[in-house]
Amino acid sequence: GAGVSQSPSNKVTEKGKDVELRCDPISGHTALYWYRQRLGQGLEFLIYFQGNSAPDKSGLPSDRFSAERTGESVSTLTIQRTQQEDSAVYLCASSVGTFEQYFGPGTRLTVT
Amino acid sequence: TQLLEQSPQFLSIQEGENLTVYCNSSSVFSSLQWYRQEPGEGPVLLVTVVTGGEVKKLKRLTFQFGDARKDSSLHITAAQPGDTGLYLCAGLYNFNKFYFGSGTKLNVKP
Repeated sequence: GAGVSQSPSNKVTEKGKDVELRCDPISGHTALYWYRQRLGQGLEFLIYFQGNSAPDKSGLPSDRFSAERTGESVSTLTIQRTQQEDSAVYLCASSVGTFEQYFGPGTRLTVT
Repeated sequence: TQLLEQSPQFLSIQEGENLTVYCNSSSVFSSLQWYRQEPGEGPVLLVTVVTGGEVKKLKRLTFQFGDARKDSSLHITAAQPGDTGLYLCAGLYNFNKFYFGSGTKLNVKP
């Protein structure tokens, strides 16, 4: 079956522009996570969706970051007025409850 | 502030050597996972440990969960170049959310 997919795989944008990153989770996975990973470092939690519950947004670094998820399907992470420090790989993962997380390949964002 | 601290941050060894990576916290976790990540890809789960004191073996890899469920270790015996990658621990906190460690970058030289 298909794994987690993310698009685009790479995104180069100018400082100040808005970007939208997409994640398609594995069908039937109720939980969806977004993480940020700076070069060679660990994963920084951004936001967590679980079923129809209110999302846990505690990891979003600023109000320029937002995310939505439609039911138990696709999710989009939006970064408004991008800054150079937003440059990183953005990873999405889905899981059944709190079991194994399956990760997508990530979107590499470069803000120039 | 990092909830999970991993050490060492970097490790470069020769093929055939043994190594241990540590994952420590002052918090108690419901479970702990170890992932391996290769460049350009997402992390892939290696193991999940749930019970305090639990030891799991996966070929040359041995994983241990501390008795108090606050720490874990990953031991690799006779490392091979194919083991090269970023190793990440992730703790499930309050049965709700995963926190990842900062990662250990392992390079095994042939």
